[in-house]
Amino acid sequence: EAGVAQSPRYKIIEKRQSVAFWCNPISGHATLYWYQQILGQGPKLLIQFQNNGVVDDSQLPKDRFSAERLKGVDSTLKIQPAKLEDSAVYLCASSLPHSTDTQYFGPGTRLTVL
Amino acid sequence: QKEVEQDPGPLSVPEGAIVSLNCTYSNSAFQYFMWYRQYSRKGPELLMYTYSSGNKEDGRFTAQVDKSSKYISLFIRDSQPSDSATYLCAMITDSWGKLQFGAGTQVVVTP
Repeated sequence: EAGVAQSPRYKIIEKRQSVAFWCNPISGHATLYWYQQILGQGPKLLIQFQNNGVVDDSQLPKDRFSAERLKGVDSTLKIQPAKLEDSAVYLCASSLPHSTDTQYFGPGTRLTVL
Repeated sequence: QKEVEQDPGPLSVPEGAIVSLNCTYSNSAFQYFMWYRQYSRKGPELLMYTYSSGNKEDGRFTAQVDKSSKYISLFIRDSQPSDSATYLCAMITDSWGKLQFGAGTQVVVTP
Protein backbone atom coordinates (compact mmCIF):
# COMPACT_ATOMS: atom_id res chain seq x y z
CA GLU A 1 0.00 0.00 0.00
CA ALA A 2 1.47 3.36 -1.00
CA GLY A 3 1.92 5.85 1.81
CA VAL A 4 1.14 9.55 2.03
CA ALA A 5 3.07 11.44 -0.63
CA GLN A 6 4.28 14.99 -0.23
CA SER A 7 6.21 17.38 -2.44
CA PRO A 8 8.51 19.12 -2.53
CA ARG A 9 10.64 17.58 0.21
CA TYR A 10 12.66 20.75 0.75
CA LYS A 11 12.02 24.41 -0.04
CA ILE A 12 14.05 27.53 0.64
CA ILE A 13 12.45 30.94 0.09
CA GLU A 14 12.94 34.55 1.05
CA LYS A 15 10.56 36.16 3.52
CA ARG A 16 7.49 37.73 1.94
CA GLN A 17 7.57 35.19 -0.91
CA SER A 18 4.83 32.64 -1.39
CA VAL A 19 5.12 28.86 -1.31
CA ALA A 20 2.82 25.89 -1.85
CA PHE A 21 2.98 22.31 -0.66
CA TRP A 22 1.20 19.32 -2.12
CA CYS A 23 -0.13 16.17 -0.46
CA ASN A 24 -1.60 12.98 -1.87
CA PRO A 25 -3.17 10.86 0.90
CA ILE A 26 -3.48 7.09 1.06
CA SER A 27 -6.15 5.86 -1.32
CA GLY A 28 -9.55 5.71 0.37
CA HIS A 29 -8.60 7.96 3.28
CA ALA A 30 -11.31 10.59 3.55
CA THR A 31 -9.67 12.54 6.37
CA LEU A 32 -6.61 14.65 5.66
CA TYR A 33 -4.54 16.74 8.06
CA TRP A 34 -1.83 19.39 7.72
CA TYR A 35 0.55 19.81 10.66
CA GLN A 36 3.35 22.27 11.32
CA GLN A 37 6.36 20.93 13.21
CA ILE A 38 8.84 23.55 14.37
CA LEU A 39 12.29 22.26 15.29
CA GLY A 40 12.27 20.78 18.79
CA GLN A 41 8.47 20.73 19.04
CA GLY A 42 5.73 18.24 18.38
CA PRO A 43 3.47 18.57 15.35
CA LYS A 44 0.71 21.16 15.64
CA LEU A 45 -2.51 20.69 13.68
CA LEU A 46 -3.14 23.47 11.18
CA ILE A 47 -6.21 22.15 9.36
CA GLN A 48 -8.26 18.97 9.11
CA PHE A 49 -10.42 18.02 6.12
CA GLN A 50 -13.16 15.42 5.98
CA ASN A 51 -13.55 14.80 2.25
CA ASN A 52 -13.80 18.35 0.79
CA GLY A 53 -15.00 20.02 3.97
CA VAL A 54 -12.98 21.67 6.71
CA VAL A 55 -13.48 20.10 10.14
CA ASP A 56 -10.99 22.19 12.10
CA ASP A 57 -8.87 25.16 11.08
CA SER A 58 -8.75 26.88 14.44
CA GLN A 59 -4.94 27.01 14.50
CA LEU A 60 -4.44 28.03 10.88
CA PRO A 61 -3.10 31.63 10.56
CA LYS A 62 -5.70 32.58 8.01
CA ASP A 63 -4.16 35.94 7.16
CA ARG A 64 -1.30 34.13 5.41
CA PHE A 65 -2.08 30.42 5.25
CA SER A 66 -4.67 28.76 3.04
CA ALA A 67 -5.46 25.17 2.20
CA GLU A 68 -7.76 23.39 -0.16
CA ARG A 69 -8.72 19.86 -0.96
CA LEU A 70 -10.31 19.63 -4.34
CA LYS A 71 -12.38 16.52 -5.15
CA GLY A 72 -11.67 15.13 -1.69
CA VAL A 73 -8.29 13.64 -2.62
CA ASP A 74 -5.15 15.76 -3.07
CA SER A 75 -4.56 18.86 -1.00
CA THR A 76 -2.40 21.96 -1.21
CA LEU A 77 -1.25 24.22 1.61
CA LYS A 78 -0.12 27.73 0.69
CA ILE A 79 1.70 30.42 2.61
CA GLN A 80 1.59 33.97 1.31
CA PRO A 81 3.55 35.97 2.35
CA ALA A 82 5.99 33.82 4.31
CA LYS A 83 7.60 34.97 7.55
CA LEU A 84 10.81 33.82 9.20
CA GLU A 85 8.80 32.03 11.91
CA ASP A 86 7.15 29.83 9.26
CA SER A 87 10.39 27.84 8.97
CA ALA A 88 9.29 24.34 9.92
CA VAL A 89 8.44 20.91 8.59
CA TYR A 90 4.94 20.71 7.14
CA LEU A 91 3.49 17.26 7.60
CA CYS A 92 0.47 15.83 5.84
CA ALA A 93 -1.40 12.90 7.35
CA SER A 94 -4.46 10.91 6.39
CA SER A 95 -6.84 8.47 8.01
CA LEU A 96 -9.97 6.49 7.34
CA PRO A 97 -13.07 8.53 8.23
CA HIS A 98 -14.02 6.46 11.27
CA SER A 99 -10.47 5.69 12.37
CA THR A 100 -9.14 9.16 13.00
CA ASP A 101 -7.15 7.72 15.90
CA THR A 102 -4.81 6.07 13.36
CA GLN A 103 -3.20 8.75 11.25
CA TYR A 104 -0.57 7.96 8.65
CA PHE A 105 2.02 10.65 8.09
CA GLY A 106 3.93 11.61 5.00
CA PRO A 107 7.65 12.46 5.08
CA GLY A 108 7.00 16.18 5.31
CA THR A 109 8.22 19.27 3.49
CA ARG A 110 11.05 21.13 5.19
CA LEU A 111 10.61 24.88 4.67
CA THR A 112 13.36 27.38 5.34
CA VAL A 113 12.46 31.07 5.19
CA LEU A 114 15.46 33.40 4.91
CA GLN B 1 1.02 25.60 31.20
CA LYS B 2 1.20 23.33 28.16
CA GLU B 3 -1.51 20.69 27.89
CA VAL B 4 1.08 17.98 27.28
CA GLU B 5 4.55 18.05 28.80
CA GLN B 6 7.39 15.82 27.67
CA ASP B 7 11.08 15.91 28.53
CA PRO B 8 12.96 16.70 25.26
CA GLY B 9 16.09 14.75 26.21
CA PRO B 10 18.30 13.66 24.59
CA LEU B 11 18.25 10.36 26.40
CA SER B 12 21.32 8.24 25.71
CA VAL B 13 21.34 4.56 26.69
CA PRO B 14 23.58 1.57 25.88
CA GLU B 15 22.26 -1.18 23.65
CA GLY B 16 20.18 -3.69 25.61
CA ALA B 17 19.09 -1.22 28.28
CA ILE B 18 15.49 -0.34 29.11
CA VAL B 19 14.35 3.03 27.80
CA SER B 20 11.77 4.86 29.92
CA LEU B 21 9.83 7.77 28.45
CA ASN B 22 7.16 9.88 30.13
CA CYS B 23 4.52 12.49 29.47
CA THR B 24 2.19 14.40 31.74
CA TYR B 25 -1.01 16.08 30.70
CA SER B 26 -3.32 18.59 32.30
CA ASN B 27 -6.74 17.91 30.75
CA SER B 28 -8.56 15.09 32.51
CA ALA B 29 -10.93 14.86 29.52
CA PHE B 30 -8.20 13.18 27.46
CA GLN B 31 -9.13 9.53 27.07
CA TYR B 32 -7.03 8.20 24.20
CA PHE B 33 -3.25 8.11 24.31
CA MET B 34 -0.65 7.31 21.70
CA TRP B 35 3.07 7.02 21.24
CA TYR B 36 4.62 7.90 17.89
CA ARG B 37 8.17 7.26 16.73
CA GLN B 38 9.83 9.75 14.39
CA TYR B 39 13.10 9.01 12.67
CA SER B 40 15.20 11.91 11.46
CA ARG B 41 13.71 13.56 8.36
CA LYS B 42 10.70 11.22 8.40
CA GLY B 43 7.08 11.61 9.44
CA PRO B 44 5.84 10.19 12.76
CA GLU B 45 4.61 6.59 12.80
CA LEU B 46 2.17 5.18 15.33
CA LEU B 47 3.76 2.77 17.82
CA MET B 48 1.20 2.22 20.56
CA TYR B 49 -2.38 3.28 21.20
CA THR B 50 -4.30 2.86 24.42
CA TYR B 51 -7.46 4.26 25.99
CA SER B 52 -7.53 2.77 29.44
CA SER B 53 -5.44 2.93 32.56
CA GLY B 54 -2.95 0.12 32.99
CA ASN B 55 -0.36 -1.51 30.76
CA LYS B 56 -0.38 -2.56 27.14
CA GLU B 57 2.40 -4.64 25.62
CA ASP B 58 3.48 -5.03 22.02
CA GLY B 59 6.73 -6.92 21.59
CA ARG B 60 9.53 -4.94 23.24
CA PHE B 61 7.24 -1.96 23.85
CA THR B 62 5.00 -1.36 26.88
CA ALA B 63 2.67 1.61 27.20
CA GLN B 64 1.43 2.58 30.63
CA VAL B 65 -1.38 5.00 31.49
CA ASP B 66 -2.21 6.41 34.91
CA LYS B 67 -5.27 8.62 34.48
CA SER B 68 -5.47 9.49 38.17
CA SER B 69 -2.01 11.07 37.96
CA LYS B 70 -2.41 12.23 34.33
CA TYR B 71 0.79 10.44 33.46
CA ILE B 72 1.69 8.13 30.59
CA SER B 73 4.86 6.14 29.97
CA LEU B 74 6.52 4.12 27.25
CA PHE B 75 9.10 1.46 28.02
CA ILE B 76 11.38 -0.10 25.43
CA ARG B 77 13.04 -3.34 26.52
CA ASP B 78 16.28 -4.68 25.06
CA SER B 79 16.86 -1.41 23.21
CA GLN B 80 18.58 -1.53 19.82
CA PRO B 81 20.47 1.13 17.85
CA SER B 82 17.54 1.07 15.42
CA ASP B 83 15.36 2.43 18.25
CA SER B 84 17.29 5.71 18.06
CA ALA B 85 14.59 8.24 17.18
CA THR B 86 12.36 10.90 18.67
CA TYR B 87 9.39 9.54 20.59
CA LEU B 88 6.26 11.68 20.71
CA CYS B 89 3.34 11.20 23.04
CA ALA B 90 -0.03 12.31 21.75
CA MET B 91 -3.60 12.53 22.96
CA ILE B 92 -6.91 12.75 21.16
CA THR B 93 -8.64 15.94 22.23
CA ASP B 94 -12.00 15.83 20.43
CA SER B 95 -14.46 13.58 18.61
CA TRP B 96 -12.84 14.38 15.26
CA GLY B 97 -9.57 12.83 16.39
CA LYS B 98 -7.61 16.04 16.82
CA LEU B 99 -4.19 15.15 18.26
CA GLN B 100 -2.25 17.14 20.84
CA PHE B 101 1.43 16.15 20.73
CA GLY B 102 4.16 16.47 23.30
CA ALA B 103 7.45 18.04 22.24
CA GLY B 104 9.10 14.64 21.78
CA THR B 105 12.03 12.96 23.51
CA GLN B 106 15.13 12.18 21.45
CA VAL B 107 16.51 8.72 22.25
CA VAL B 108 20.00 7.58 21.28
CA VAL B 109 20.90 3.91 21.72
CA THR B 110 24.64 3.38 21.51
CA PRO B 111 26.11 0.00 20.39
